[in-house]
Amino acid sequence: GQQLNQSPQSMFIQEGEDVSMNCTSSSIFNTWLWYKQDPGEGPVLLIALYKAGELTSNGRLTAQFGITRKDSFLNISASIPSDVGIYFCAGPGGTGTASKLTFGTGTRLQVTL
Amino acid sequence: DSGVTQTPKHLITATGQRVTLRCSPRSGDLSVYWYQQSLDQGLQFLIHYYNGEERAKGNILERFSAQQFPDLHSELNLSSLELGDSALYFCASSVAPGQGAGGTFGSGTRLTVV
Repeated sequence: GQQLNQSPQSMFIQEGEDVSMNCTSSSIFNTWLWYKQDPGEGPVLLIALYKAGELTSNGRLTAQFGITRKDSFLNISASIPSDVGIYFCAGPGGTGTASKLTFGTGTRLQVTL
Repeated sequence: DSGVTQTPKHLITATGQRVTLRCSPRSGDLSVYWYQQSLDQGLQFLIHYYNGEERAKGNILERFSAQQFPDLHSELNLSSLELGDSALYFCASSVAPGQGAGGTFGSGTRLTVV
């Protein structure tokens, strides 16, 4: 089946630093989604990408849909303590963006003051 | 508050037992999705219902079943529980398949099987 591998698995960064993480797939996706999960909560959608090469921003977050359609990248600029959490990429395996999401392995972000 | 309500928040039960997890979607959403999150398997899609009908199945065990009722709430039934079924179970909802990218997730039910 489809697998989404995220790297790094975890990272410690200092407040104010920029963060980069990526997600790679063994197969092509037509949509890429990036989520953040806080402890004890469900994933919250951050950014949705629908077209190869697309670059989309949401505040300090910027995500890119890779040209090959097998990867995606998420950047966080000027990190702050509330950025702590687990970031997941996801792609739909069925019809429509919300069907049969395959989630990545996650990147755990921890910010030190 | 995401608008997706899951109950109970926590559940502790013994092996071999059966439990029912409940999900109320956001107002106006017709699609409900169930996911399981465990340490070893990560977040995995289980099943999707749209307006009362099953639309897609993922890695859902035969011991698990779900349904969506006329009022659009959904229930996930887990039977003959095993220790390995301990996990967070999430429900997500969207207006319809193909709309509302990714759906909106509830806060989950944490199931512990002892």
